[in-house]
This record gives sequence, structure tokens and C-alpha cells, in this order.
Amino acid sequence: KNEVEQSPQNLTAQEGEFITINCSYSVGISALHWLQQHPGGGIVSLFMLSSGKKKHGRLIATINIQEKHSSLHITASHPRDSAVYICAVSPSGSARQLTFGSGTQLTVLP
Amino acid sequence: DSGVTQTPKHLITATGQRVTLRCSPRSGDLSVYWYQQSLDQGLQFLIQYYNGEERAKGNILERFSAQQFPDLHSELNLSSLELGDSALYFCASSVGSYNEQFFGPGTRLTVL
Repeated sequence: KNEVEQSPQNLTAQEGEFITINCSYSVGISALHWLQQHPGGGIVSLFMLSSGKKKHGRLIATINIQEKHSSLHITASHPRDSAVYICAVSPSGSARQLTFGSGTQLTVLP
Repeated sequence: DSGVTQTPKHLITATGQRVTLRCSPRSGDLSVYWYQQSLDQGLQFLIQYYNGEERAKGNILERFSAQQFPDLHSELNLSSLELGDSALYFCASSVGSYNEQFFGPGTRLTVL
């Protein structure tokens, strides 16, 4: 079993829909990261969080440390949000070493 | 633009060869990380340097080595290349070891 599990693997939405991507992990962590990988391959760091909730524009990330679960929400989705979203964790004691989920391929249709 | 640069963007080589990938971190960042992304394994952490010293090692093969130079740029050396080494190699940098990481555009390595 992978230490970091994401769901769904693939997600297709209509423009304007509210989107949720989930991430569950099985180890103690010092931080959780949400990354976005564009079709061209580049990776952008969206959030790094260790508790609570963070918001940036139309993106919201939440984490529940007790339940070992995080969600990434996209409000008013747009075709330019189409990308792979990757959850990664910094395990406690090896915060430098990210462990990655397999990613969620999001396609937003106009 | 993250401020992290990687060269070259693409590299095509043959089995058994040796290549060097280069990374320049964001100005002010002391930590450099190397990651490999392959179709079957996904993203994997290879190695981290902080201010010239190796700080953490992940799933890095013995055929691979890295170093960080006094000007903080880093190089990843891959030798005795095999077909399975074909992948995207990303470099990331951060201020310290426990901060948000910023990723470079990656080097796509194809081993024929």
C-alpha cells in the first residue's frame, strides 16, 4: 500500500463546477504539499500546510491531521485548471524527503 | 517562472553513456533537491543538498551521484545509463530544509 493515496485518479468537470481532490496518508507528517503539473511537465507548488486551511484565489487546501487526510478544492473551475494535481507529504523525522501520491488528472471542459 | 533553472531541457543518449544534469536554485535558496519522474514509478525523491552538504538520500541508484558547488548550483551525474533511466528529472530549491520547494522546468532524459 502506498503511503500517500489520492482520489480520484481521473476527474472530468464542466467549467464552473466545484472540484474536490482527496489525499490520504498513512504516516506521521510534518507538512503536506499540493503540487500542480501542467501538460508541458512543469511543476508548481500550490500549498504547503501542516494544519487547518489555506486559500489562494480559487484554490483552497484543508488538512485534518487526526484523520490523516487533506483535500484540495477548486471553486468556479476553468479549462486552464486542467492539469495533474499531486499530493506529497514530508514524513516526520525526514521532512526533507517528499513522498508523492500518484496524482489526479483533472480535465475541465468549456 | 519559479526562478529555478535546469539545463539541458532535453537529452537523448545511448545505453552505457554518462550524462550531467545541471540545476541553479532560486537566489537565496540553500537547499537543492533532485527528483525523478518516470511513467511506472511516478515522482521519487533522489537526494538533497544543503549549502554544499548532502542532507538526505532517497531512492538514488549507485550509478547516480550529485553534488552542490560553492555557488550553490548542483549537478546530477548519471552513468552506465540504462533504458529504464529514461525519465523527467526535476530539481527543486528551498530556503532551508523545511520550507516550500520551488521546482525547475525539468530535464527530459531519453536513453536509446
